[in-house]
Amino acid sequence: DTGVSQDPRHKITKRGQNVTFRCDPISEHNRLYWYRQTLGQGPEFLTYFQNEAQLEKSRLLSDRFSAERPKGSFSTLEIQRTEQGDSAMYLCASSLAGLALRETQYFGPGTRLLVL
Amino acid sequence: SQQGEEDPQALSIQEGENATMNCSYKTSINNLQWYRQNSGRGLVHLILIRSNEREKHSGRLRVTLDTSKKSSSLLITASRAADTASYFCATYTGGFKTIFGAGTRLFVKA
Repeated sequence: DTGVSQDPRHKITKRGQNVTFRCDPISEHNRLYWYRQTLGQGPEFLTYFQNEAQLEKSRLLSDRFSAERPKGSFSTLEIQRTEQGDSAMYLCASSLAGLALRETQYFGPGTRLLVL
Repeated sequence: SQQGEEDPQALSIQEGENATMNCSYKTSINNLQWYRQNSGRGLVHLILIRSNEREKHSGRLRVTLDTSKKSSSLLITASRAADTASYFCATYTGGFKTIFGAGTRLFVKA
């Protein structure tokens, strides 16, 4: 399967712990996005990478959140000192910059985080 | 806050019926997209319509766009139980951000 993959699929942690999620985009895609989705809502944009450069961050991304995309391939999203309000589905998407395709994002299955 | 707002929030229909979902947005857009999400899963891209297009078809899907009213509709014809999912509109205004609405939950009864 050459789609977007995310790991882990589920994570349960205690408040105050740090967690890290990984996203592997479609191999030739140079754009990578992170979203957060809470129950009954649509995905909310968190951050965006073009290759290894993080070009935009939402104000939702507090200083407890950090994302990296070393070498422009996989990406990690770390949440430090987790809070119960961080409980959500974290979605990763990738796309290929180009004329006809750049707006179409391909989503991974998500990582569901529960903070106790 | 979300740019797109879907209407209705939830829709329940019988298999074989048509399902229509609407999306309204607030600012000028480059394109509008519709995605489907099965329960607890990632989103699947369905169709994209550009701001200079008024209607687009893909299989049983028909999307319209009215930029003067800042609204779009998604019509699923001859619905199937497998169409049961949440449907989201997403607007792309340039830059890097795609903004999703809260979604319409469609339930198709067999």
